[in-house]
Amino acid sequence: DQQVKQNSPSLSVQEGRISILNCDYTNSMFDYFLWYKKYPAEGPTFLISISSIKDKNEDGRFTVFLNKSAKHLSLHIVPSQPGDSAVYFCAASAPREYGNKLVFGAGTILRVKS
Amino acid sequence: DAGVIQSPRHEVTEMGQEVTLRCKPISGHNSLFWYRQTMMRGLELLIYFNNNVPIDDSGMPEDRFSAKMPNASFSTLKIQPSEPRDSAVYFCASKKTSISYNEQFFGPGTRLTVL
Repeated sequence: DQQVKQNSPSLSVQEGRISILNCDYTNSMFDYFLWYKKYPAEGPTFLISISSIKDKNEDGRFTVFLNKSAKHLSLHIVPSQPGDSAVYFCAASAPREYGNKLVFGAGTILRVKS
Repeated sequence: DAGVIQSPRHEVTEMGQEVTLRCKPISGHNSLFWYRQTMMRGLELLIYFNNNVPIDDSGMPEDRFSAKMPNASFSTLKIQPSEPRDSAVYFCASKKTSISYNEQFFGPGTRLTVL
């Protein structure tokens, strides 16, 4: 039973355009969400996060949007660069209920073409 | 400051052999997590520790898997006996327990191949 779903296994985008990666969750207890980026042969690295009290968080070219009623979040990368090509994982947590656990989605492979 | 350190980076073994994966968390981090990444299931949490105590091992797939954290700077994940379906990349991550709403920091992973 996947509580965090990334339904697009892969996404291909032209350099300079916007990349939009999507993530859905089922557990309404989740109140903190994170995106991680992973290059081949490396561990995942933290990218950006958002608390459920917000609907948007921005950091440079990266913006995460949260729609609590739809249990949906998305990561926007503008403009996309070839170096953004990686696997992106969405993760969710509920520290007050479940402690320090993160539940990850299966990941989306992003390819940015130059 | 050094990140999470994992060893070995690659392990190739034969079915039935014992495998031990090692992790050194970031200094000052008192929560440690073991994950397994596969193509089919993505990143799965196997077990995590707070202050060297196992808190949740519900993700450990079978009794063949065991994990220990004898002190704040070292943890092991052992598979005995190993099977081909255990082939995956195993990640260790750490964070500060006292800060709930923050990220985990991952090590580079150990790629395990069981023949």
